[in-house]
Amino acid sequence: TQLLEQSPQFLSIQEGENLTVYCNSSSVFSSLQWYRQEPGEGPVLLVTVVTGGEVKKLKRLTFQFGDARKDSSLHITAAQPGDTGLYLCAGERTGGSYIPTFGRGTSLIVHP
Amino acid sequence: ETGVTQSPTHLIKTRGQQVTLRCSSQSGHNTVSWYQQALGQGPQFIFQYYREEENGRGNFPPRFSGLQFPNYSSELNVNALELDDSALYLCASSLGVVENTEAFFGQGTRLTVV
Repeated sequence: TQLLEQSPQFLSIQEGENLTVYCNSSSVFSSLQWYRQEPGEGPVLLVTVVTGGEVKKLKRLTFQFGDARKDSSLHITAAQPGDTGLYLCAGERTGGSYIPTFGRGTSLIVHP
Repeated sequence: ETGVTQSPTHLIKTRGQQVTLRCSSQSGHNTVSWYQQALGQGPQFIFQYYREEENGRGNFPPRFSGLQFPNYSSELNVNALELDDSALYLCASSLGVVENTEAFFGQGTRLTVV
């Protein structure tokens, strides 16, 4: 059983479409991080959310942390082929060691 | 470019053999974490080293061991390789072990066990 469940597992869309991916858990996290990983590379940190209800924007990407700090979402507006990659969420549990636990990821392909 | 480099980039080993993977951390980073990422999965935490001492370990058997050196480079050693050990092995370096510290990943070593 995964501590962090990500959905959908796969997403294939056309350039210009909007999309949302989700990261859910039954555990409370002190923080959640979103990473993007491209083939043959390690994950690269996009954002860290810390406060329940927090919303952060990074150009066309909008990240939200749930009020109860158990879930998070990533919304991409007007997706571009350069957004293609594996999107991973990772959480640090409250009272746990400062070592993030990763979900399985959402594999996104944006077609031109 | 994260400043974290791993070697080799690809490796093929035979079942039962031993392997050593290497990681050069970002300058000044005293913490390194190692992860195993199987195909279609997220990274799974193996262990973390802080100032040359093991600081936490995931659910991996003792044949997975590590070292961190005074210059903060590190090694992951795997003995008695099994077919299921085939995966991408990632190291991530960070400064300290406090909450919300950003970790910088290397590009990974792709290990294939045949």
